[in-house]
Amino acid sequence: SQTIHQWPATLVQPVGSPLSLECTVEGTSNPNLYWYRQAAGRGLQLLFYSVGIGQISSEVPQNLSASRPQDRQFILSSKKLLLSDSGFYLCAWSRTSGRINEQFFGPGTRLTVL
Amino acid sequence: AQSVSQHNHHVILSEAASLELGCNYSYGGTVNLFWYVQYPGQHLQLLLKYFSGDPLVKGIKGFEAEFIKSKFSFNLRKPSVQWSDTAEYFCAVILSGGYNKLIFGAGTRLAVHP
Repeated sequence: SQTIHQWPATLVQPVGSPLSLECTVEGTSNPNLYWYRQAAGRGLQLLFYSVGIGQISSEVPQNLSASRPQDRQFILSSKKLLLSDSGFYLCAWSRTSGRINEQFFGPGTRLTVL
Repeated sequence: AQSVSQHNHHVILSEAASLELGCNYSYGGTVNLFWYVQYPGQHLQLLLKYFSGDPLVKGIKGFEAEFIKSKFSFNLRKPSVQWSDTAEYFCAVILSGGYNKLIFGAGTRLAVHP
């Protein structure tokens, strides 16, 4: 069966510090991968998605970047965190069979920028 | 821009009460509709989905939703809620032609009191 991991689970970082959140998927190959953010009182917003290694699409302009160095690894980064980067970050994956597919979500990382 | 609206941000019910959570989307083309649920301390998980066919879809744990195309709606219902239904519920759509990208509503926090 497939599983998705995210770490760390929680993170407190000062403004201006770098960020690296990692997501890995097991039990499937060539998945679509997604990063979402949920800010307080708001729904989940798609930040990035990837259909293959090295292929990243950004949905909204922001202080963050994403990379996919391996088929089942998706990394969310920032060089300098802003207060507004605080939120709950979720990674998700879906199959790429050509149909619309359900997305499966990881446990999330709660980021607090002080 | 395409969007998803959930009308109720917080809902409080007593056990055995009936539940209906509203969801409307703004998109004139083909959509695929989802309800996700996040129980306290757990991953976001799929409750039910509509791709095509019978507009009344049944999901896990006794939930159902009805797709009304003319109203651009996909309301979630349950005839009798339980304390264990306390969770946050998210409506989401995937637009035709996209890379399986989910557009989420802001979510509804449901609290069920014994």
